[in-house]
Amino acid sequence: DGGITQSPKYLFRKEGQNVTLSCEQNLNHDAMYWYRQDPGQGLRLIYYSQIVNDFQKGDIAEGYSVSREKKESFPLTVTSAQKNPTAFYLCASSDFPGIGYTFGSGTRLTVV
Amino acid sequence: QKEVEQNSGPLSVPEGAIASLNCTYSDRGSQSFFWYRQYSGKSPELIMFIYSNGDKEDGRFTAQLNKASQYVSLLIRDSQPSDSATYLCAVKSPSGGGADGLTFGKGTHLIIQP
Repeated sequence: DGGITQSPKYLFRKEGQNVTLSCEQNLNHDAMYWYRQDPGQGLRLIYYSQIVNDFQKGDIAEGYSVSREKKESFPLTVTSAQKNPTAFYLCASSDFPGIGYTFGSGTRLTVV
Repeated sequence: QKEVEQNSGPLSVPEGAIASLNCTYSDRGSQSFFWYRQYSGKSPELIMFIYSNGDKEDGRFTAQLNKASQYVSLLIRDSQPSDSATYLCAVKSPSGGGADGLTFGKGTHLIIQP
């Protein structure tokens, strides 16, 4: 079955540590996105990529980095510069320009 | 700054009644409009999208779009307890300048009372 796989489902980060969230899709979609969701808040765009080896900052990119070396993969690194990383992180993909997004199941990141 | 506004709720509706969810958006150039349903702790799932003014029906769901008023709504007929969830409105604006992603509202929490 085609879909988006995010891993891990739960992740705990220590202060000052970088962590990487995985996102893999087998839908052959061109565009991929990372969103952050905080309790009672909507989804906020972190980064997006429309083609391999190209990506753009979203509304809240500070403290995050991404890469797009393969069409199927769009990992997100939460760096130590992100001071409040505890949130639910969602990866999505779409055909470009896209009629809607398919979301992964999400990664819940907690700072310990 | 693109904005999408929704009443956070909770919106409580008796089982079998019509649930009406509303959304307004600020970018007059917005072209595509989406409704997602999100159960607690889960990821959003697409339930409707609409591009043109007027109504679009899919089963118990009807999306309504009024571009002149910058307003989009979702009607759920014959509401069921399984419809209890948070409903996210999302808007896509034309590419070029700024993020080319959907802009989401904060969502409306819907409760269907048995």
